[in-house]
Amino acid sequence: DVKVTQSSRYLVKRTGEKVFLECVQDMDHENMFWYRQDPGLGLRLIYFSYDVKMKEKGDIPEGYSVSREKKERFSLILESASTNQTSMYLCASSSSDRGHIQYFGAGTRLSVL
Amino acid sequence: EDKVVQSPLSLVVHEGDTVTLNCSYEVTNFRSLLWYKQEKKAPTFLFMLTSSGIEKKSGRLSSILDKKELFSILNITATQTGDSAVYLCAVAPGTASKLTFGTGTRLQVTL
Repeated sequence: DVKVTQSSRYLVKRTGEKVFLECVQDMDHENMFWYRQDPGLGLRLIYFSYDVKMKEKGDIPEGYSVSREKKERFSLILESASTNQTSMYLCASSSSDRGHIQYFGAGTRLSVL
Repeated sequence: EDKVVQSPLSLVVHEGDTVTLNCSYEVTNFRSLLWYKQEKKAPTFLFMLTSSGIEKKSGRLSSILDKKELFSILNITATQTGDSAVYLCAVAPGTASKLTFGTGTRLQVTL
């Protein structure tokens, strides 16, 4: 089974703090994704990566950056957290060989106070 | 811009009922449509559909795609309380690896 692991289930941070969300997958997938999920808005793509050190902006990249130094790990960075970044963050991975089916981690619920 | 619209937004049914969830889409160079089930945490994959008229089935769940009318339906027969979840529809365009998701249908199954 594909396993996508997010480092934290719940995080509480202060406005202005730098926040790191980590995601690790164990299936050698080349593609990795970060989404945020908000009530009534569904899943919105923040950034994705199709290879090590490669990144592409999604639909809502403002206020976020990402890092992919190793194939299995994809990090989402909030340089200076703001209250409007309070949300559920979901990481996913996929392989082009498997029709791009995305497999998700359990999510990190981030609260910025 | 790719777009996915799901309906209804939410519904409540009694255990044993049959439900139909709808997903319509607009996408550049369609490749596939995917259904996911999301309970408390991670969305879990249900089906991927690429061809019109071919039903995918897994137990009490089934799904079909109509590429001419640009929609898909997800059917759940003999619903159980364990079917309570948000059901997400997503489309994959062209050669890109990313998906565009709808906002989901929240299903609640009561005793």
